[in-house]
Amino acid sequence: GQNIDQPTEMTATEGAIVQINCTYQTSGFNGLFWYQQHAGEAPTFLSYNVLDGLEEKGRFSSFLSRSKGYSYLLLKELQMKDSASYLCAAPRGNTDKLIFGTGTRLQVFP
Amino acid sequence: GAVVSQHPSWVICKSGTSVKIECRSLDFQATTMFWYRQFPKQSLMLMATSNEGSKATYEQGVEKDKFLINHASLTLSTLTVTSAHPEDSSFYICSARALGGGGQETQYFGPGTRLLVL
Repeated sequence: GQNIDQPTEMTATEGAIVQINCTYQTSGFNGLFWYQQHAGEAPTFLSYNVLDGLEEKGRFSSFLSRSKGYSYLLLKELQMKDSASYLCAAPRGNTDKLIFGTGTRLQVFP
Repeated sequence: GAVVSQHPSWVICKSGTSVKIECRSLDFQATTMFWYRQFPKQSLMLMATSNEGSKATYEQGVEKDKFLINHASLTLSTLTVTSAHPEDSSFYICSARALGGGGQETQYFGPGTRLLVL
């Protein structure tokens, strides 16, 4: 089977750093995606990891450990506009069909 | 690049009517598009994979006769919700694969269509 778990909600303060974790169990592995979704809008692509390690893109970084079935999204210098849901997703098996986690709703407070 | 549009952005209809939603890839060709449904405070659930020139493949539990998908060209897929009922009210989102940064294929999402069935 395939399963993706992430916390339901998180809160943080403007300017702080927050780490959103995701654990996954997949039949085969073809990379892990992170998307950002603001309320009422479609998801926007943030990152794609297929190799172990940390990939940095400005204020956002994504980490992957294939042996542990674990990934995290790191958001630095949080801004109010970062309040959104963050979705962890992985392809199902060797297909291009994405399976999404429930999403982590992040609320940034001033 | 990699822009996906959807039309309409929202629709309100009476129970029993059919609603058609269009998904277009504006600046690239997409042989495969995906249709998702998202209920409030839940994640995206894949409904079906739309293949240009062939029949769509549906996920388990999704009625193919109720959710008709047509992928008429490399830039257009349509989802028709037939005989819509209030329980079909949801946020419908399409996506298409395109080459993203670094050369890997990434799914890019349309802005979504909010359907409310009265």
